[in-house]
Amino acid sequence: KNEVEQSPQNLTAQEGEFITINCSYSVGISALHWLQQHPGGGIVSLFMLSSGKKKHGRLIATINIQEKHSSLHITASHPRDSAVYICAAPELNYGGSQGNLIFGKGTKLSVKP
Amino acid sequence: KAGVTQTPRYLIKTRGQQVTLSCSPISGHRSVSWYQQTPGQGLQFLFEYFSETQRNKGNFPGRFSGRQFSNSRSEMNVSTLELGDSALYLCASGRDLPNTGELFFGEGSRLTVL
Repeated sequence: KNEVEQSPQNLTAQEGEFITINCSYSVGISALHWLQQHPGGGIVSLFMLSSGKKKHGRLIATINIQEKHSSLHITASHPRDSAVYICAAPELNYGGSQGNLIFGKGTKLSVKP
Repeated sequence: KAGVTQTPRYLIKTRGQQVTLSCSPISGHRSVSWYQQTPGQGLQFLFEYFSETQRNKGNFPGRFSGRQFSNSRSEMNVSTLELGDSALYLCASGRDLPNTGELFFGEGSRLTVL
């Protein structure tokens, strides 16, 4: 059974700081999701990545399949980046096929002006 | 292009009642998955559907059920509501088989059980 762990649980930063959120999982996967949830509940998919690095604006996601680790970086952070960031990895079914998504507990980011 | 629509957004029920939640995926998407989010347990997978077939089910009691219609719209039902069923219920749609592409989430249905 896949377990997904995120760190830190809470993160406070000053506007402009570089931010890193980490995600580790316990079994091999083919891809990992990074999600953003704002107060009020709506979730936005930021990245789905299976290798290397992806970039979208000020957000960068990296994954190391061998080390079972992924990071989400935010450059030049802004108060509007304040949200909960969640990583998710699929559980492996018996036989090795991709199963249900297992979610990390989330990292609550607060960026102060 | 319209996003994923969930109805109702908010609802209050009492213990023992039943509730039906609806999810309309993005046009052209055939995959719908459902999730429960609570402060204590975080996000947990409920079930997923692809082309009207339930492909996977999470570790929830039989009181939780769902279905998908031929137009890809999906409903989930919770019978004999318990206080612990109070949660945000989210659905997500995808173009392809689950876990093979980006997921698009709805705003959620917030259920309060009194």
